[in-house]
Amino acid sequence: AQSVTQLDSQVPVFEEAPVELRCNYSSSVSVYLFWYVQYPNQGLQLLLKYLSGSTLVKGINGFEAEFNKSQTSFHLRKPSVHISDTAEYFCAVGRSGGSYIPTFGRGTSLIVHP
Amino acid sequence: DTAVSQTPKYLVTQMGNDKSIKCEQNLGHDTMYWYKQDSKKFLKIMFSYNNKELIINETVPNRFSPKSPDKAHLNLHINSLELGDSAVYFCASTQMGHHQETQYFGPGTRLLVL
Repeated sequence: AQSVTQLDSQVPVFEEAPVELRCNYSSSVSVYLFWYVQYPNQGLQLLLKYLSGSTLVKGINGFEAEFNKSQTSFHLRKPSVHISDTAEYFCAVGRSGGSYIPTFGRGTSLIVHP
Repeated sequence: DTAVSQTPKYLVTQMGNDKSIKCEQNLGHDTMYWYKQDSKKFLKIMFSYNNKELIINETVPNRFSPKSPDKAHLNLHINSLELGDSAVYFCASTQMGHHQETQYFGPGTRLLVL
């Protein structure tokens, strides 16, 4: 079984400040890790993913995440946020093979203030 | 050239009615899903389906049934709608294997049961 914990339900931040959204996972097998973003009244879209290789993953819109196997974490970061980054962010974990059903965290609401 | 589309976008109906939500993907993917997102943004997997197997989340009432006329479509039929069914329903698709497993989401169907 696998699980995902997003430690913060809401993260308020000022525009141009850095931000980190935290994600921890647990799994008994090797995993794939994802961050999805959901803008208001829209579906989810992929921000970035870790499948293998380099532990630092760069995604769209200036976001990046680092896979830390020893701490079972996959925190999302951006050095300078914009108002347009206000959205819900979901961390997800999946494993390859068989019937693929990823597990999603409960989401973190990023609120960027001017 | 929408990748995953859903209809309708909004659905308002009375308790006890039967309704269907349609989903189509033009990505050539072999696996499709239905998710329910509640008012707190929590994403709950309802079904996963490919041409080989249907996986049902055992917590989903049997009033909900997925129907797949072909590989590109996975519709959701709901019988005897209840107030608690009010939520946003998302369809998603993915291609199994090839170390991808990125899910592509539709824009959502906002269901309100009165």
